[in-house]
Amino acid sequence: LELTQPPSVSVSPGQTASITCSGVDLGKKFTSWYQQQPGQSPVVVIYQDYRRPSGIPERFSGSSSGNTATLTISGTQTLDEGVYFCQAWDSGTPVFGTGSKVTIL
Amino acid sequence: DVQLEESGGGPVTPGGSLRLSCAASGFTLSNYAYSMNWVRQAPGKGLEWVSSISPSGDYIYYADSVRGRFTISRDNAKNTLFLQMSSLRAEDTALYFCAREQIAIQALDVWGQGTAVTVSS
Repeated sequence: LELTQPPSVSVSPGQTASITCSGVDLGKKFTSWYQQQPGQSPVVVIYQDYRRPSGIPERFSGSSSGNTATLTISGTQTLDEGVYFCQAWDSGTPVFGTGSKVTIL
Repeated sequence: DVQLEESGGGPVTPGGSLRLSCAASGFTLSNYAYSMNWVRQAPGKGLEWVSSISPSGDYIYYADSVRGRFTISRDNAKNTLFLQMSSLRAEDTALYFCAREQIAIQALDVWGQGTAVTVSS
C-alpha cells in the first residue's frame, strides 16, 4: 500500500485547507491523520476516517471514499501550520503517507 | 499522565549496533489495549514505520528495510520497550520515535519525543 499526498498546501487565514491522501482501496480501510509541527512529535488529529480525539478542535474533519481520504481544516489559523501525514493499515502494520506541508499565508 | 520517553540514540559507525529504549509511564505496555511501535524519520523526510509488537508479544513485525537487523522487545517489569539495532547503515540515520497504538481506534495515539541515531564513519 502506498499513500500519496500533495507535497504542499497553502491557504489564507480563515479559509479552508483540504489535504488528500490517495491509495488503492483506501476507502475500505481506516485512515488516521497526524499533525507534526516543527521540532515536535506527530499528534493524531483524526482517526477512523473522521473521528476527532478529545482536545482536537472541531475545525479538523475527515472523510474517506474510494481511493481517497481527505483532511479538511476549516477556518485555518496560523497555529495549524505544519506537516500532515495520513496513515492506514496494511496487513496489520501502519503505512504513512508522503506528508503535506500546510502553510498559512 | 501518559508518556513515552526514548533514549539510547547517538552516533555510531556503519556496521555498528545500538539499543534504543522507550520508557512508558501512565499506562502498562502489556495492557491488551495497546500495541507498541517504532517509527523513524530521516532528516527532512517523512515518517517510516520500523517495527511493532503486539500486547502479548506473540506478534512481531518489521519493515523490509530493517528485517534481520533490528529486534523489538519489551520488559514488562520495567514497562520499557526496546529496539536492538545491528549492522547499521547510513540510511538508518533518523529520529526514532516509539508510539503507542490504541487498538480500539487503530491509531497511534501517544508518541515520544524521539531519540536521534546518526550512522556515519
